Amino acid sequence: GESVGLHLPTLSVQEGDNSIINCAYSNSASDYFIWYKQESGKGPQFIIDIRSNMDKRQGQRVTVLLNKTVKHLSLQIAATQPGDSAVYFCAENYGGATNKLIFGTGTLLAVQP
Amino acid sequence: DTGVSQDPRHKITKRGQNVTFRCDPISEHNRLYWYRQTLGQGPEFLTYFQNEAQLEKSRLLSDRFSAERPKGSFSTLEIQRTEQGDSAMYLCASSLGAASPNEKLFFGSGTQLSVL
Repeated sequence: GESVGLHLPTLSVQEGDNSIINCAYSNSASDYFIWYKQESGKGPQFIIDIRSNMDKRQGQRVTVLLNKTVKHLSLQIAATQPGDSAVYFCAENYGGATNKLIFGTGTLLAVQP
Repeated sequence: DTGVSQDPRHKITKRGQNVTFRCDPISEHNRLYWYRQTLGQGPEFLTYFQNEAQLEKSRLLSDRFSAERPKGSFSTLEIQRTEQGDSAMYLCASSLGAASPNEKLFFGSGTQLSVL
């Protein structure tokens, strides 16, 4: 069977700590970015988005930072909770009429109680 | 429940059989997407509908795959002559289809296909 897909980057944090998940995107023309959270057996769940004319956006306990110079996104989660344990994906919109999102590989966040 | 609904949640089939999945998007959403996700990978785009029109198909969508959205509401994805490599989670997503091209996609829980 396939094994290459099982080697997800993993971030392990203690409950209550802050988490930072990083993502490198591929297309310098992308103008919209989303972070999704995916729990086992479920579809991706929207967390936060940011447009390319911004470099920071805050939500409830989450902050997304965008650095277009180096094509880098990060997701910061404050006071990480066990319920935050999941795989986190960044996705970019290449632009154009389709509005399709291109997803990165994902990072597994493991929160230790 | 007003989210994206997919049926069935799980499908086990034998190689060579045909399978069909259904997706019901959020009711006012004009755009509907199918993605495929294998273990440990991010979802990969398969195809996209604007209302009933299928406007884009990925080269991942071989001739054995066909998707329809006959009335611009629910959609079906059919895989003919399934192969073991088709085993994956098939995700449906929808978005509002407003004038702005930048919209968040809302995903269903997916159909997990296992081809034996």
